[in-house]
Amino acid sequence: DAGVIQSPRHEVTEMGQEVTLRCKPISGHNSLFWYRQTMMRGLELLIYFNNNVPIDDSGMPEDRFSAKMPNASFSTLKIQPSEPRDSAVYFCASSIGTALLFGQGTRLTVV
Amino acid sequence: AQRVTQPEKLLSVFKGAPVELKCNYSYSGSPELFWYVQYSRQRLQLLLRHISRESIKGFTADLNKGETSFHLKKPFAQEEDSAMYYCALSLSGSARQLTFGSGTQLTVLP
Repeated sequence: DAGVIQSPRHEVTEMGQEVTLRCKPISGHNSLFWYRQTMMRGLELLIYFNNNVPIDDSGMPEDRFSAKMPNASFSTLKIQPSEPRDSAVYFCASSIGTALLFGQGTRLTVV
Repeated sequence: AQRVTQPEKLLSVFKGAPVELKCNYSYSGSPELFWYVQYSRQRLQLLLRHISRESIKGFTADLNKGETSFHLKKPFAQEEDSAMYYCALSLSGSARQLTFGSGTQLTVLP
């Protein structure tokens, strides 16, 4: 298994544009998490899914952020419209127990 | 609510020197504690967990319930240990309730 796969690795977009981040969890893992990493705030949990169902989205900063998990092997995090303060590294992680396994992240820059 | 505190954002030591990355938590129950590491431009990965009581890459961490601490230690730091280290706490034994500290950037100087 190649681990958690995220795409794209880097994204540069203009303010106001829609951004979609993608994640393929490890096969068999029933929980999926989206985190945001910034220098100021460290790692923040945005949302997590269990068996494809969103369980807790209290970390989603605003209505501009939305996440979906249409099936067990794919999830998206969408920002519409994007703003410069959304610039961060976004990590997806999956788990089947306690320990999280992370993807390599998507570095988003909104200019 | 549970909280994980890593008081040092930055820590520098010389190669061969001992290193200790501090982690304190606030929770009255019996949490499960972890250390995650992120090397430059790589993904976050699990370094060790307290229930395993193992040493990984020369690092150890002991859970001290009296002091509510889970400090990460290594007797002789190596340059390749330079990375961002996150302490994390799980309440229920599930990754769903994993709380991360703010991280400590360790730099091992030659």
